[in-house]
Amino acid sequence: DGGITQSPKYLFRKEGQNVTLSCEQNLNHDAMYWYRQDPGQGLRLIYYSQIVNDFQKGDIAEGYSVSREKKESFPLTVTSAQKNPTAFYLCASAQGNGQPQHFGDGTRLSIL
Amino acid sequence: QKEVEQDPGPLSVPEGAIVSLNCTYSNSAFQYFMWYRQYSRKGPELLMYTYSSGNKEDGRFTAQVDKSSKYISLFIRDSQPSDSATYLCAMSGVGGTSYGKLTFGQGTILTVHP
Repeated sequence: DGGITQSPKYLFRKEGQNVTLSCEQNLNHDAMYWYRQDPGQGLRLIYYSQIVNDFQKGDIAEGYSVSREKKESFPLTVTSAQKNPTAFYLCASAQGNGQPQHFGDGTRLSIL
Repeated sequence: QKEVEQDPGPLSVPEGAIVSLNCTYSNSAFQYFMWYRQYSRKGPELLMYTYSSGNKEDGRFTAQVDKSSKYISLFIRDSQPSDSATYLCAMSGVGGTSYGKLTFGQGTILTVHP
């Protein structure tokens, strides 16, 4: 089945630690996105990538980093600089501009 | 003022009711409009996708876009308990800084009780 796989489903971060969230898609989509979802705030864009080896900051990129070395993979690192990382993180992909985005089932990150 | 405004609800209706969900927006560059359904602890699932103004129907769901009023709606007929979820509107423009980026509403929490 084609789709987007996010792992792990739950993740805990210790003080000062960097953690990496995985996102893999087998839809052959060019574009991939990372969102953060907090209660009552909808989805906010962290980073996006339109093509391999290129990515752009979204609205709330501070404290996060990404890479896009392969078309199917777009990992997100939550660094220790992100002071409020507790949230539900969603990865999405799309065929191109204006096309609907398809989402994975998210990773819930909490602080230990 | 947010670019996209959506009443967060919560909205509670009896089974079989017609549900109306709405979003308003301020950016006239938006041309692609989507509705997503999100169950608890799951990712959003695409329900409807429309381009520019007009209506689109898919089973019990109808999406309406009125670009002149900057207003979009999702209607659910014969609502079922399985429709209980958060509904998110989303939209994007073409080119420039809007390229490929979706702007979401806050989401409306809907409960359909038997």
